[in-house]
Amino acid sequence: DAKTTQPNSMESNEEEPVHLPCNHSTISGTDYIHWYRQLPSQGPEYVIHGLTSNVNNRMASLAIAEDRKSSTLILHRATLRDAAVYYCILSLETSGSRLTFGEGTQLTVNP
Amino acid sequence: NAGVTQTPKFQVLKTGQSMTLQCAQDMNHEYMSWYRQDPGMGLRLIHYSVGAGITDQGEVPNGYNVSRSTTEDFPLRLLSAAPSQTSVYFCASRTGLAGNNEQFFGPGTRLTVL
Repeated sequence: DAKTTQPNSMESNEEEPVHLPCNHSTISGTDYIHWYRQLPSQGPEYVIHGLTSNVNNRMASLAIAEDRKSSTLILHRATLRDAAVYYCILSLETSGSRLTFGEGTQLTVNP
Repeated sequence: NAGVTQTPKFQVLKTGQSMTLQCAQDMNHEYMSWYRQDPGMGLRLIHYSVGAGITDQGEVPNGYNVSRSTTEDFPLRLLSAAPSQTSVYFCASRTGLAGNNEQFFGPGTRLTVL
């Protein structure tokens, strides 16, 4: 399975944008890029996913590099509630329920 | 919709005991999975199911059994609990086979094996 690499931790200030990077240099053409986040003592929560084009939803934006070897999750205005572990995951189009989680990025949001 | 529900929320077992962790979803999802999360780690896949009557092993299946008799339910059985199985267990479901689908997670069961 293709792997992802994320920084262990990042810090941001409240109401500022946050850019969370993810490298996936061995991504294949059928891998979707998914982002999930996990708030303390909760199950993971879906954030966004994409294949080739940049994606926007009510929670965040996903910017995918042209060669697809990296992506960036963008939180436009961080809130204290966004403090969580963010996981960047590659999900094969033909896989079953398989999502391979790494250790993610711990995001701290300062008031 | 209740989404994905798990019971119990907390459980303490003694080594050698068996138990079943319950998972149910009311979204008519075909695909369900069990993950475990050890402290400070990401989630690891234990078993998954692509539909009623069909299950398969994930990354760390040893010591666990699953069955899928209905679309809604996907119980995880610990056959003979060991301290190494102390972890938080998450059940998840999704609607489709393709990577182009959101996965929904339950709130988790925190299991301690003494």
